[in-house]
Amino acid sequence: NAGVTQTPKFQVLKTGQSMTLQCAQDMNHEYMSWYRQDPGMGLRLIHYSVGAGITDQGEVPNGYNVSRSTTEDFPLRLLSAAPSQTSVYFCASSRQGAANYGYTFGSGTRLTVV
Amino acid sequence: AQSVSQHNHHVILSEAASLELGCNYSYGGTVNLFWYVQYPGQHLQLLLKYFSGDPLVKGIKGFEAEFIKSKFSFNLRKPSVQWSDTAEYFCAVIIASSNTGKLIFGQGTTLQVKP
Repeated sequence: NAGVTQTPKFQVLKTGQSMTLQCAQDMNHEYMSWYRQDPGMGLRLIHYSVGAGITDQGEVPNGYNVSRSTTEDFPLRLLSAAPSQTSVYFCASSRQGAANYGYTFGSGTRLTVV
Repeated sequence: AQSVSQHNHHVILSEAASLELGCNYSYGGTVNLFWYVQYPGQHLQLLLKYFSGDPLVKGIKGFEAEFIKSKFSFNLRKPSVQWSDTAEYFCAVIIASSNTGKLIFGQGTTLQVKP
């Protein structure tokens, strides 16, 4: 099993550009989430999904869009990149009942916006 | 909304020293608690979790954590650290009855173990 796969691993964007961070899991997990990791701030939840077609906002959703058309994929879209979005982004997935199972994390995407 | 607080932001220890990292959460109901570890350049890995039963839980690599409900705490411990334990440690919480799966993290603690 590949687990949670994120692409790309590294990306540099110019301010105002848009892009999509890809996340795919092959474990048939219902729950998927996107986090951003910034020094001294831990991981903050951007958006999450409890199943295909169902998404909701986390703590820091502004500037990001998500959709969940399949169980496997949960892409994160930056509509108009800003320097404040420079961060490391992690995707995670879990079986339903994440409270008991915990999440499996991808290896991350390091994004720099200049 | 629930929140998680980790008191120690940066801890420096010598090998063989004992470790205790503090974690407190704010939520009045039942929660499930996790500790994740992130080794340099790697993704997060689950260290241990608590959701019911014995409040003292054991995880991988000799780590353990104790859930004290009255103190809203879930501190991580290890009797004797090794250089390979150098990493960032995150405490996290999910509301037990939640069907949203929202996992909320603390700010993280960077542990540096000197050989």
